[in-house]
Order: sequence, then structure tokens, then C-alpha cells
Amino acid sequence: GNSVTQMEGPVTLSEEAFLTINCTYTATGYPSLFWYVQYPGEGLQLLLKATKADDKGSNKGFEATYRKETTSFHLEKGSVQVSDSAVYFCALSRPTGGYQKVTFGTGTKLQVIP
Amino acid sequence: DGGITQSPKYLFRKEGQNVTLSCEQNLNHDAMYWYRQDPGQGLRLIYYSQIVNDFQKGDIAEGYSVSREKKESFPLTVTSAQKNPTAFYLCASSKGEGSQPQHFGDGTRLSIL
Repeated sequence: GNSVTQMEGPVTLSEEAFLTINCTYTATGYPSLFWYVQYPGEGLQLLLKATKADDKGSNKGFEATYRKETTSFHLEKGSVQVSDSAVYFCALSRPTGGYQKVTFGTGTKLQVIP
Repeated sequence: DGGITQSPKYLFRKEGQNVTLSCEQNLNHDAMYWYRQDPGQGLRLIYYSQIVNDFQKGDIAEGYSVSREKKESFPLTVTSAQKNPTAFYLCASSKGEGSQPQHFGDGTRLSIL
């Protein structure tokens, strides 16, 4: 079946540090890949997406590249801010049983300190 | 602005009681979903619906029920058969195609009295 593996958290960084959150996936065919962000007490918000190999998704300074050869979709940001503190979820979407099933990773908590 | 509204934000259930969580969307999306979120476990799919009057069980449907009488609404009932209902429940919707992201509500936190 499909699965998504994210690096364990929490990740604690100082403001302006470089961020990488690793994500690898297992799926047949060509899934669509997503990063979502969840702030405390809220639902998930789409951060960025990529739909085919070598696509780069980007938003708000975050980037992730769809790497088919390594089945990865690592999230990066060059300079984090305190406001980036949240839980980040990697996810994939594939047709399953007639609908688009989304499989989420377990989430990685990011804490940015001033 | 279009979006998904979940209510209530906090809900308490007594033993043996059924409770219903509301989810309404004005995004004109065909597909709607219910997820359960427990600490450290990510999101698990409870039920999903691709069109009105049709819904399917997800990975953890036991102890839950849903209905989809209107395109905009997808309420979830947590029945007394669900022995461990304490969790954060998230409703989502999408256009249903694979490359389209899901849009989420702000969730309902259910606790046992």
C-alpha cells in the first residue's frame, strides 16, 4: 500500500536558520505530492504541491522538489521565522478503489526560537 | 470567502451517548472527507463521500456514521460503539481529482466526560 515517512520531530531551530524536513514515500505509479501546515488548534492548510517528477512546489519561501528516483519530497526553507512554528505534514494522493486516496505522514513539529 | 466550517469547536460526550459533528462547505466541491487526528499518528480516514447520497468507509469507520444529503454538508456521528472517541476530528473537501489538494476545516475536539 501507499505510505509516507517523515523525519521525527520536534525540530528546533533558531530564527534565520536553514530548514530541511525529510519526506519519503512508497506508492505505485505517479502520485501527487503535498506539504500541509497545521498551526495549533487549527486544521491543515496546503503549503505547496507537485504533481509530476522533477516538479518544484514553492510558497512563502518554502520549496520541495518531486524526486522520483529517490521517492522523496523534502521540504526546505532558507531562513525560518518564529511564525513558521507549526506541524508540517507530507502527503501523497493516488487513485485507490475509484477515488483519490490521500495518505499523510505523521507530521513533524517545527519550533523556531528567536 | 469560500471555506469549510466545522462546529462545534469543542464537544463533550457522556458514556452511551451519540454526538454529531457538523461540517459545511461552500467551495462547491464534490468530495468530502472525515479524518481523525491523534497525537503522533497523523490523520486517519474515517469516511469519505464523492457525490451526494453516496459515501464509503475509510480505514477506521467502526463506531462512526455519516450522511450526505446535500452537497454542502457531511455530518459525522460518533456513536456509543466508538469506545475511544477522544480525538481531534477534521473535515476536508476537494474537487476529487488526484492533483487537487484537500481543503480543511478548523476541526472539532471531542472529549469524554
